[in-house]
Amino acid sequence: QQKVQQSPESLIVPEGGMASLNCTSSDRNVDYFWWYRQHSGKSPKMLMSIFSNGEKEEGRFTVHLNKASLHTSLHIRDSQPSDSALYLCAASRSGGSNAKLTFGKGTKLSVKS
Amino acid sequence: GALVYQYPRRTICKSGTSMRMECQAVGFQATSVAWYRQSPQKTFELIALSTVNSAIKYEQNFTQEKFPISHPNLSFSSMTVLNAYLEDRGLYLCGARAGQNTLYFGAGTRLSVL
Repeated sequence: QQKVQQSPESLIVPEGGMASLNCTSSDRNVDYFWWYRQHSGKSPKMLMSIFSNGEKEEGRFTVHLNKASLHTSLHIRDSQPSDSALYLCAASRSGGSNAKLTFGKGTKLSVKS
Repeated sequence: GALVYQYPRRTICKSGTSMRMECQAVGFQATSVAWYRQSPQKTFELIALSTVNSAIKYEQNFTQEKFPISHPNLSFSSMTVLNAYLEDRGLYLCGARAGQNTLYFGAGTRLSVL
């Protein structure tokens, strides 16, 4: 059973629109959440991480975390065609060097111009 | 900046043969290296986590006998896929991190099995 569930599996948004991606962990011991972006044929690159309840914003990207429900969401405003990629959510029990990141299957985002 | 190089980028091997892939951290000392496999169905599976001064920990469904890993120093790791079969196909990603910092991924080694 997948410990990190992402939804939706795929998402199409118009250019300039808002994309909202969801991620929930079934492991109640996780404390850290990470969002990675993987363009087709490329390696995953870390977008944002969040460890505390609340919201974190970096440019067009906003991440929310609700630790009680182990749910995080990524919101991309003013979506651009270059944002089209596979978005991977990962969770870990710690942030140390021995932290094991468990990834979800990802959400495939397509931004249509 | 931190970079992770993986090679080869692509490899094809005959069913039942083995292949070795390598991972090199550049610009930082990797205190831990994680090997993942991204399957054709895009499932992202952790194979094993190797941390300096600790034994390599393999995840369920992955064994040292099948995926032996070497992590001799803070900048290099290698993994071999022994007796590769169709179900071993996929993109093998090496993720390296220094301490509590970000996990940086290499571009991966794509394994095809004939």
